[in-house]
Amino acid sequence: NAGVTQTPKFRVLKTGQSMTLLCAQDMNHEYMYWYRQDPGMGLRLIHYSVGEGTTAKGEVPDGYNVSRLKKQNFLLGLESAAPSQTSVYFCASSEAGAVTEAFFGQGTRLTVV
Amino acid sequence: GESVGLHLPTLSVQEGDNSIINCAYSNSASDYFIWYKQESGKGPQFIIDIRSNMDKRQGQRVTVLLNKTVKHLSLQIAATQPGDSAVYFCAENFSSGSARQLTFGSGTQLTVLP
Repeated sequence: NAGVTQTPKFRVLKTGQSMTLLCAQDMNHEYMYWYRQDPGMGLRLIHYSVGEGTTAKGEVPDGYNVSRLKKQNFLLGLESAAPSQTSVYFCASSEAGAVTEAFFGQGTRLTVV
Repeated sequence: GESVGLHLPTLSVQEGDNSIINCAYSNSASDYFIWYKQESGKGPQFIIDIRSNMDKRQGQRVTVLLNKTVKHLSLQIAATQPGDSAVYFCAENFSSGSARQLTFGSGTQLTVLP
């Protein structure tokens, strides 16, 4: 039972470089989310998707782009990485509907130097 | 190790004692609440949930209390064990346009002392 899988688990980028984080879920969930977690800040929603082909902005979307071309995958892109984007990134998925928990991946630790 | 817990509110309890972790939520329209546990180096894991039409819900060794009047949640852990040491987050779920959003609190670091 894979659940939610994130790749890579660790990455170091230089300022200005670009990269894509991949999230894959095998639970046939409609909703997928990208969060970032910083010390003392809890989890903040970057972008989310309520279905294949749809995306929406969350609380802190600036500097990130996302795509949901396939239902099982949700990609998070950084076009020009900045040190402020150093964080741990978590992907999550959930069923559609009002009362449903979200299942999280193991996280990606990104450092921008 | 992870640095995620360094600046969080902390709670230390003796093994075997009961723990109470508190959370204030912000959106009066939230209708579903979840407690998550996050161990070092891992993603958050579901513990227990409660709907807004309930005041209390019990699970195995855990109880969640909801006070909508003051927008307050608490998580009670009975007979706390070393494996309970983790960061605990409350999350509120609410409608945002045509979708649902899940917003997290900043978390509490629970340390169980031997």
